Amino acid sequence: ETGVTQTPRHLVMGMTNKKSLKCEQHLGHNAMYWYKQSAKKPLELMFVYSLEERVENNSVPSRFSPECPNSSHLFLHLHTLQPEDSALYLCASSQDLQGGYEQYFGPGTRLTVT
Amino acid sequence: TQLLEQSPQFLSIQEGENLTVYCNSSSVFSSLQWYRQEPGEGPVLLVTVVTGGEVKKLKRLTFQFGDARKDSSLHITAAQPGDTGLYLCAGFKAPNAGKSTFGDGTTLTVKP
Repeated sequence: ETGVTQTPRHLVMGMTNKKSLKCEQHLGHNAMYWYKQSAKKPLELMFVYSLEERVENNSVPSRFSPECPNSSHLFLHLHTLQPEDSALYLCASSQDLQGGYEQYFGPGTRLTVT
Repeated sequence: TQLLEQSPQFLSIQEGENLTVYCNSSSVFSSLQWYRQEPGEGPVLLVTVVTGGEVKKLKRLTFQFGDARKDSSLHITAAQPGDTGLYLCAGFKAPNAGKSTFGDGTTLTVKP
């Protein structure tokens, strides 16, 4: 596989569920990102990781918990979500933070919270 | 605060027409990127512009970075249905490493 992959592609969960989103990049990049894309809103940067260390937490509620076990994998753990959290969650990677202006995105996970 | 404003928000044209979409800001960026996103997929990087006044061409797409590096335009010549998608611009300010600001996009529909 090449590029950035995300699983699952679609997820429906209740407000009391716990689920995780997975992202894997096969580009040899050192920086990874989580974004939220809602209808009629610009992409919202959620978290940034560089060499497995979190370098940015963009005021994201604690019900979203990221994990980066190595430079190729990124997870977003979801817990006690709200209906307004329904959105497309995009993972991206870049060579490094200094090259962070050129990001490669995965196809996203379409999340619906019921 | 929306730092990058894109216009128009929606554009529907016939195949073969030309179009221009704009990305404007009051801020100066080190570089600016254009992405295209198709339904059900993530954004795909089209181009990066770095130098004020720079023009880059990608087949029928022409990208220009404003002289002051605050704005950019994307011109498509002879649009085709395959050009349909959401066009996003993103501004990057060094040394805010890793933090790009995205515009809210222009949704383009090209009808056959």
